[in-house]
Amino acid sequence: AQRVTQPEKLLSVFKGAPVELKCNYSYSGSPELFWYVQYSRQRLQLLLRHISRESIKGFTADLNKGETSFHLKKPFAQEEDSAMYYCALSREAGTALIFGKGTTLSVSS
Amino acid sequence: DVKVTQSSRYLVKRTGEKVFLECVQDMDHENMFWYRQDPGLGLRLIYFSYDVKMKEKGDIPEGYSVSREKKERFSLILESASTNQTSMYLCASILGQGNEQYFGPGTRLTVT
Repeated sequence: AQRVTQPEKLLSVFKGAPVELKCNYSYSGSPELFWYVQYSRQRLQLLLRHISRESIKGFTADLNKGETSFHLKKPFAQEEDSAMYYCALSREAGTALIFGKGTTLSVSS
Repeated sequence: DVKVTQSSRYLVKRTGEKVFLECVQDMDHENMFWYRQDPGLGLRLIYFSYDVKMKEKGDIPEGYSVSREKKERFSLILESASTNQTSMYLCASILGQGNEQYFGPGTRLTVT
């Protein structure tokens, strides 16, 4: 069965510390993976997708098919990174996504 | 700039009422989705639509129905609202597979 697991409900770090939000997936084919972010009082929006291999707001995520992971990383957290982060997997047929349960990132000074 | 709008930000309804949640997108996207967002459960797919008058059940369709009469509009219907349907409802649209899903601002529904 297709599944996305985000093991941490809450991740609290200090400003300037490295951040890693974990995401593991279960998928039989070639997965398409995404990270979405929701800042306070804002709508959910795409942060990055694995096929783009780009860095957005200092965040990167590498698809590791051997470990079935797509962890989100940033070397130096900023207070404005505080938000809810969702890892998502594109379903086998069509465009619908499967979301993980989300991780709240809290960055304090 | 893609715009996905939802008819209400906050809604309070009584148990047993019929509830309509409306979503409109202005970018000619064929695919539209309804999710509910609950703390600790993430986003769960209720229904989606690939084209006008077409609908597909998602993971939690029970107690919901949908309507898509026009390409830009996708409505979620709660036939008889119950307290366990109190939630944040998010609408989304997408151009095609692998692209970004654009989300609406959400409707926070409270059923009393």
